[in-house]
Amino acid sequence: ETGVTQTPRHLVMGMTNKKSLKCEQHLGHNAMYWYKQSAKKPLELMFVYSLEERVENNSVPSRFSPECPNSSHLFLHLHTLQPEDSALYLCASSQDRDSQETQYFGPGTRLLVL
Amino acid sequence: AQKITQTQPGMFVQEKEAVTLDCTYDTSDQSYGLFWYKQPSSGEMIFLIYQGSYDEQNATEGRYSLNFQKARKSANLVISASQLGDSAMYFCAMRDRAGNQFYFGTGTSLTVIP
Repeated sequence: ETGVTQTPRHLVMGMTNKKSLKCEQHLGHNAMYWYKQSAKKPLELMFVYSLEERVENNSVPSRFSPECPNSSHLFLHLHTLQPEDSALYLCASSQDRDSQETQYFGPGTRLLVL
Repeated sequence: AQKITQTQPGMFVQEKEAVTLDCTYDTSDQSYGLFWYKQPSSGEMIFLIYQGSYDEQNATEGRYSLNFQKARKSANLVISASQLGDSAMYFCAMRDRAGNQFYFGTGTSLTVIP
């Protein structure tokens, strides 16, 4: 198993749909993250979880709802999205939340909202 | 305020030559971490190299080295002996002292010419 996996890799959904993105890390890390990457913009940190507890929520709209049932799994539940939410969504993990800890990323989910 | 600045949207380098990708950062923390990531067209962010703010020596990882100038708040990536597989987007990032925020630049697109 590779370090961080994400499913699905591609997703097309309508604005009224509900879908979920899944992330799983096999590295024994304690912290997990969701990022949004839009074209021509810096990567945006959305949520940070440490030991299954949410420690950061960077003013993300409520139509994005994260869930961390255990330290290996992270979900991003999507509902009533807007076309501007189309982006690459990246999951990452790190051993801990320390300035020295690097993050390891999954391959991302390319989301298109119609 | 923008934390990470990458002023080179696109760079070209001849195969086997060295190339420097620029990165400047802005922080009032004394302790922070600096990172470089590579993102091929497949989307996955690949960790390349890390520099701690208290590290006195420049970090090196194989063909990658980080030219860290703390007083100037710059952390340039140097890739030696460029290879065709180095063609990708390169992102500079900074992690704050608490470890909860990870700031990315807008990236530099590197193309290696045969």
